[in-house]
Formats: sequence, C-alpha cells, structure tokens
Amino acid sequence: GNSVTQMEGPVTLSEEAFLTINCTYTATGYPSLFWYVQYPGEGLQLLLKATKADDKGSNKGFEATYRKETTSFHLEKGSVQVSDSAVYFCALSGGFKTIFGAGTRLFVKA
Amino acid sequence: NAGVTQTPKFRVLKTGQSMTLLCAQDMNHEYMYWYRQDPGMGLRLIHYSVGEGTTAKGEVPDGYNVSRLKKQNFLLGLESAAPSQTSVYFCASSLDRGSEQYFGPGTRLTVT
Repeated sequence: GNSVTQMEGPVTLSEEAFLTINCTYTATGYPSLFWYVQYPGEGLQLLLKATKADDKGSNKGFEATYRKETTSFHLEKGSVQVSDSAVYFCALSGGFKTIFGAGTRLFVKA
Repeated sequence: NAGVTQTPKFRVLKTGQSMTLLCAQDMNHEYMYWYRQDPGMGLRLIHYSVGEGTTAKGEVPDGYNVSRLKKQNFLLGLESAAPSQTSVYFCASSLDRGSEQYFGPGTRLTVT
C-alpha cells in the first residue's frame, strides 16, 4: 500500500540556516505530493504541492521537487526564520485518501 | 468565508459518555474527512465522505460513527467514550479526490 516516511525530529536550527526535511514515499500509480505545516494550536495548512514527476512546488521560500526516480519530495528553505517554527507533514494523495507522514517538528532559534 | 469550522474546541468526557463533534465547511466541497492526531503518529483517518449522504471507513473507525446529512456538515459521534479516544480531532474537506485538504482548528478531547 501507499506510505510516507519523513525524517524524525525535532530539528533545531539557528535563524538564517539552511533547512532540509527528508520525505520518501511508496505508491502505486502517480500520486500528488504535498507538504503541510501546523503551527501551535492550529490545524494543518497547505504549504506546497506537486502533482507530477519533476514538478517543483514552492511557497514562502520553501521548495520541494517531485522526484519519481528516488521516490522523494524533500522540503528545503535557504534561510529559516523564527516564525518557521512549526510541525511539517509530508503527504501523498492517491485515490480517496491522503496518507500523512508522522511529522517533523522544527525549532528555529534567534 | 470561514473555511472549515469545528465545535467544540475542547471537551472532557468520562468513560462511557457519548458526544458528537460537528464540522462545517462553506466551500461547497464534496469530500470531508475526520482524523485523529496523537503524539508521534501523525494523522490517522477515522472516516470520510465523498458526498452528501455517503460515508466510508478509514484507518481507525472502531468506536466512532459519522453522518453527512447535509453537504456542508460532517458529524463524528462517540457512543461510549474510552480513554484510548483521548486525542486531538481534525476535520478536513477537499474539492475532489487527490486535491489539497483544508483543515479545521481541531477539537481537543480528553476521556477520563
């Protein structure tokens, strides 16, 4: 069946550091891939998405590229800010259901 | 445009009590979902609906029931609450299958 594996956290970075959160997936067919972000006390909200191989999703300085050959969708940001502190979820959608990774908590220190 | 709303925000139940969580969306979405979020386990799908009058089981449906009598509302019921149902519950909706989901703010439920 479909599955998503993302790196365990927490990840702690200093402000302006480079961020990578790894995400790999297993799926049949051609799923859509997503990154969602959850700020404290809130629901998840979409950060970016990609619907086919080699697509790059981007938003608010975050990027992720749909790599079918490595079954990966790693999240990157060149310079993180304190306000980026949150939990990040990689997700895969194929059919009626979306499969979420376990989440990676990011702490950014000033 | 409120998006997805959930009531209540917090609730404490005793074992064996029942309750209903209400989810409402104003985006005319066909698909609606109920998830539970537990530490270290991400989100797990409880039940979902692909349109008014339809419901289907997700990954962890036992102990829960749902109804979708109106397109904009999706109700989650606990008939006899157990401590294992202590969790944060999120409702979500999407325009169609495979598209991005819009989440409500969550309901924190504690069962003692």
